[in-house]
Amino acid sequence: DQQVKQNSPSLSVQEGRISILNCDYTNSMFDYFLWYKKYPAEGPTFLISISSIKDKNEDGRFTVFLNKSAKHLSLHIVPSQPGDSAVYFCAATRTYGGATNKLIFGTGTLLAVQP
Amino acid sequence: DGGITQSPKYLFRKEGQNVTLSCEQNLNHDAMYWYRQDPGQGLRLIYYSQIVNDFQKGDIAEGYSVSREKKESFPLTVTSAQKNPTAFYLCASSMSPSNTGELFFGEGSRLTVL
Repeated sequence: DQQVKQNSPSLSVQEGRISILNCDYTNSMFDYFLWYKKYPAEGPTFLISISSIKDKNEDGRFTVFLNKSAKHLSLHIVPSQPGDSAVYFCAATRTYGGATNKLIFGTGTLLAVQP
Repeated sequence: DGGITQSPKYLFRKEGQNVTLSCEQNLNHDAMYWYRQDPGQGLRLIYYSQIVNDFQKGDIAEGYSVSREKKESFPLTVTSAQKNPTAFYLCASSMSPSNTGELFFGEGSRLTVL
């Protein structure tokens, strides 16, 4: 049972345009969401996160939007740069009630930014 | 530099052999984790440890074993009971307790069974 889903395995965008990566989750107990970026043969690196008490969090070119009623979040990258080309993983966790920081990851979306 | 070091980066194993992947961190983090990455399946949790001398099974623990004798170290043994061990293995750590859920990952170890 995939609790965190990224339905687009890949996305191609022109440099300078907006990249939108989507993520859906099924477990309503998740209250914290993260995006990680991963280059080939390297470990993922943390990009941005959002708590369920917010609907938007912005950090430079990266913005994450959370729609709790739809159990959907998205990562916007504006403007996209060739160096953004990587696999992006969405992850979710529960932080209350003795939470363990056990992250549940989606399957990832490969973003290719064309020069 | 603080970080997580995994070794070896590449490892080849014959069927029926046990192998141990090393993970060391100098971030003074309490919690450590092992994930496995397969194409099209994202990252799946194998084992995690919130404190020294304690660890719990993740979603795909069968065929794996771990130990946590020191705060800095969380080695993973892939045993011969693991039916499909060829994968990319990632070790991670985090502060615990933490409200952020942020994990710091090593660079990974690629295991290939011949």
